[in-house]
Amino acid sequence: NAGVTQTPKFQVLKTGQSMTLQCAQDMNHNSMYWYRQDPGMGLRLIYYSASEGTTDKGEVPNGYNVSRLNKREFSLRLESAAPSQTSVYFCASALSGAGAEAFFGQGTRLTVV
Amino acid sequence: GNSVTQMEGPVTLSEEAFLTINCTYTATGYPSLFWYVQYPGEGLQLLLKATKADDKGSNKGFEATYRKETTSFHLEKGSVQVSDSAVYFCALPSGTYKYIFGTGTRLKVLA
Repeated sequence: NAGVTQTPKFQVLKTGQSMTLQCAQDMNHNSMYWYRQDPGMGLRLIYYSASEGTTDKGEVPNGYNVSRLNKREFSLRLESAAPSQTSVYFCASALSGAGAEAFFGQGTRLTVV
Repeated sequence: GNSVTQMEGPVTLSEEAFLTINCTYTATGYPSLFWYVQYPGEGLQLLLKATKADDKGSNKGFEATYRKETTSFHLEKGSVQVSDSAVYFCALPSGTYKYIFGTGTRLKVLA
């Protein structure tokens, strides 16, 4: 089972460039999430999608947009990358809501120079 | 709202030592509580969970007991191995769909 698949694994961007991080899950989960992980900060929620067709802001949404393309896929877009967006990004999914186990992808290490 | 506080690391232990990583929480009601583990270069994965007060979650020799009196969910293992070296996160739900994660505790086990 693939679980949660993120692409790419590594990316270097120049300030002002745009890019989309892709995430897909094959577990028929309803809820999907994007987190960023920074040293000493734990995981911070960027956006989440409670179910197909809905998206909501998390703790740190500024500078990001998301699309829940279908039940399987949830993408994160950086329209104009900034050095402060250098981080490791994780996509996660859960069957339905936060009482259930969350499954994580392997992460995307993004560096903005 | 709900919140979680876990001990700062890093924690360095010798192989076969006893491990405790403290986690305390504030929450409305009695939500499920989780411990996740992140091995180097990987995403987080569920280590154990407890769904109600006095429940004990356990997995791979790790244990944690849901204590409502002290609002704690401390992670313990009687004898750590080098392969347990990782970052450990305490977590709980915030609302219906969101999770709150602690800042993580890095464990390094020396042979």
